[in-house]
Amino acid sequence: EVQLLESGGGLVQPEGSLRLSCAASGFTFSSYVMSWVRQAPGKGLEWVSTIGSTGASTYYADSVKGRFTISRDNSKNTLFMHMNGLRAEDTAIFYCARSTSGYYDYWGQGTLVTVSS
Amino acid sequence: EIVLTQSPATLSLSPGEGATLSCRASQSVSSYLAWYQQKPGQAPRLLIYDASNRATGIPARFSGSGSGTDFTLTISNLEPEDFAVYYCHQRSNWPRTFGQGTKVEIE
Repeated sequence: EVQLLESGGGLVQPEGSLRLSCAASGFTFSSYVMSWVRQAPGKGLEWVSTIGSTGASTYYADSVKGRFTISRDNSKNTLFMHMNGLRAEDTAIFYCARSTSGYYDYWGQGTLVTVSS
Repeated sequence: EIVLTQSPATLSLSPGEGATLSCRASQSVSSYLAWYQQKPGQAPRLLIYDASNRATGIPARFSGSGSGTDFTLTISNLEPEDFAVYYCHQRSNWPRTFGQGTKVEIE
């Protein structure tokens, strides 16, 4: 069974940093592209970032480019999102998702990031 | 950036009725469009990919159609568990984008 389990969310002050993790199991993690998608409270879905299966290719939404860094450790079946310079508008549930042919076929339960002083 | 516009924002229907949801892209996405269902407090679930292919385990009452800029998700004979928010999503271009969602609510 495919499972994705995010962790690392919490309350952080503006301009602070946070690292999210997503532990994957039930599939060959190193064979899949992985992504982060977020959802602000009461709002819709927003794609944040995608990383290729080897980690060599990365893509970012303009809203996070230069502040967020996606990475992965295929030896530990784990996806990461390093977030710096956090802003109030980054407050959201962050989901990690497995990508198959560019679509998100499995999602984690999400981790809430709250940016507030 | 490709903008996806969903309509209507809210659809009020009764169980057993049919639902037709629309997604319009600001430029052609070919058939690279998906639909997701999201229930309160849950992660989204992939329903349809490549405009018309049902994802694994999705009931046949869900169907998708369209290509280019105009797409439709049809839910026939609504079941109580189908009342949720539905999002379209394109994977044609970077950045990936989602529509703003259509809420299907019980009338």
